Amino acid sequence: QKEVEQNSGPLSVPEGAIASLNCTYSDRGSQSFFWYRQYSGKSPELIMSIYSNGDKEDGRFTAQLNKASQYVSLLIRDSQPSDSATYLCAVMGGSQGNLIFGKGTKLSVKP
Amino acid sequence: SAVISQKPSRDICQRGTSLTIQCQVDSQVTMMFWYRQQPGQSLTLIATANQGSEATYESGFVIDKFPISRPNLTFSTLTVSNMSPEDSSIYLCSVPGPSNEKLFFGSGTQLSVL
Repeated sequence: QKEVEQNSGPLSVPEGAIASLNCTYSDRGSQSFFWYRQYSGKSPELIMSIYSNGDKEDGRFTAQLNKASQYVSLLIRDSQPSDSATYLCAVMGGSQGNLIFGKGTKLSVKP
Repeated sequence: SAVISQKPSRDICQRGTSLTIQCQVDSQVTMMFWYRQQPGQSLTLIATANQGSEATYESGFVIDKFPISRPNLTFSTLTVSNMSPEDSSIYLCSVPGPSNEKLFFGSGTQLSVL
């Protein structure tokens, strides 16, 4: 059974700081990794996907993948109050495209 | 990205009744996935809906409780049968991208069972 683990938080950072969100996964053979953002009462929205070891940057977001350590992280630079949400880490569950999700980390950015 | 319309957006239901949730996609897709998100929890896959065949259910979910229809490549329904308060959750339909490289979600159905 594939599992994805996240610290549930809440993680509180001041506006303008860097928020660091972490995730570990159990299946060493996993190849595709995703970060979703979910505002309260809304459906998840894809922020980043990463498939290779190293860093991938998109605007204020950087995803980091270390397959040897089975570790994925998301950095949010210059955090804004609008970034306050729950961040879900997900791993591709199989060839059909379904995802296995962690429980999410709740991020609060204080003005 | 796919545009996914899901309805109802929310409902309050009585114990013992059933609710059918509809999911409409703006493009043809082979697979559609139904997820459940219980309060304070993450998303759990209920089943995979394939057009022209029976849905494939994950461990802990059965067809009698969550019957699924998939009449064509753009539409699916999930029924939550004989509801109890434990069924109070958000239910989400989702579809993969063209190369199964990512997953897109509908707006979700917030279900409360009294």
